[in-house]
Amino acid sequence: EPEVTQTPSHQVTQMGQEVILRCVPISNHLYFYWYRQILGQKVEFLVSFYNNEISEKSEIFDDQFSVERPDGSNFTLKIRSTKLEDSAMYFCASDRDSNQPQHFGDGTRLSIL
Amino acid sequence: KNEVEQSPQNLTAQEGEFITINCSYSVGISALHWLQQHPGGGIVSLFMLSSGKKKHGRLIATINIQEKHSSLHITASHPRDSAVYICAVTPTHDMRFGAGTRLTVKP
Repeated sequence: EPEVTQTPSHQVTQMGQEVILRCVPISNHLYFYWYRQILGQKVEFLVSFYNNEISEKSEIFDDQFSVERPDGSNFTLKIRSTKLEDSAMYFCASDRDSNQPQHFGDGTRLSIL
Repeated sequence: KNEVEQSPQNLTAQEGEFITINCSYSVGISALHWLQQHPGGGIVSLFMLSSGKKKHGRLIATINIQEKHSSLHITASHPRDSAVYICAVTPTHDMRFGAGTRLTVKP
């Protein structure tokens, strides 16, 4: 069965640096999402993306964050000037349309030192 | 106030028991999701429903739109069902999550 793949599985970065988290959604999916889960807390929505533009974003998704679909397969989340509180598990998900369940990647654990 | 409330937060059951996890929400939604999060962190979608009832194997999910309430039932529970079960709702193109119910099924 096709899967959403995320790389790397674990990213360690110094505070203030930029990180790019990568996702390869399922190939015939059209909607893409990023979520984060701070350790011990609930999952939080960051952004949804459709037709090469952001369709919705949360209050968390401020100017520090950006998303891009640089080619036909990758979907990336860029975090600029990382802060300690950006440490979390970041999940990518995709679906074919809003009436279908989302498929989640295994996540990237981001640790900011 | 949380838009999605789950109960209980933690649940311990003996193998074979019937389990119910409840979810209430306070926003208008297009769909409700039940997700399973394994100890390693991975998330799997179990159900997506907007009305009525769905069944998959030993799992059953129901939703009452008027009462803004959903339940997830597990029949004949097994230790491999041990996980965190998360209720989430999609008002539009975002998803709002409950805090999860940590289920432990003992042999």
